[in-house]
Amino acid sequence: LAKTTQPISMDSYEGQEVNITCSHNNIATNDYITWYQQFPSQGPRFIIQGYKTKVTNEVASLFIPADRKSSTLSLPRVSLSDTAVYYCLVGGGMDSNYQLIWGAGTKLIIKP
Amino acid sequence: EAGVAQSPRYKIIEKRQSVAFWCNPISGHATLYWYQQILGQGPKLLIQFQNNGVVDDSQLPKDRFSAERLKGVDSTLKIQPAKLEDSAVYLCASSRVPSGAYNEQFFGPGTRLTVL
Repeated sequence: LAKTTQPISMDSYEGQEVNITCSHNNIATNDYITWYQQFPSQGPRFIIQGYKTKVTNEVASLFIPADRKSSTLSLPRVSLSDTAVYYCLVGGGMDSNYQLIWGAGTKLIIKP
Repeated sequence: EAGVAQSPRYKIIEKRQSVAFWCNPISGHATLYWYQQILGQGPKLLIQFQNNGVVDDSQLPKDRFSAERLKGVDSTLKIQPAKLEDSAVYLCASSRVPSGAYNEQFFGPGTRLTVL
């Protein structure tokens, strides 16, 4: 099963673009890359999912290089309300027996 | 649409007691997950159901934890007897599909368990 490595914490300021990079060197061919956001005392919330290249939705972009050994979640123009823990998950494919492994996440703190 | 419902929200018990948590997934979601989240850690999958069948329970401590999903809808997770290290938030999630693309999991608010 693919394990992920993310920074433990990051700081940024309101209005900035924030990029959180996740390493997943042993990603399987048919694994997906998924990011979740979690606020204190709440369950995680799906942000974005991708397989390769770039995916964009209304809240974030996900950049995946050709070798798929890493990925970067990009949050444009963050606000104080983006302060949360962000989890990078890899898996869900047949070779991983459809399992997803959650890491410790990145605690993002946005300052005014 | 209504989200994933869980109860109770909080539970305090003494070690060696029993406890049960209940989850009602989003209507139409065939896949249901139970996670354990210890403070400061990511969620750990305990068990995954597809309808009322178990897909993955490899990380479920079967000597003390049990789970069932009656009629492929609601689910109950039980701990008997509880240990101090079981203190955690127990999260229930559901999804339309069990894996791969579009496997967006929707989480409930969780049950915070404290074992004294």
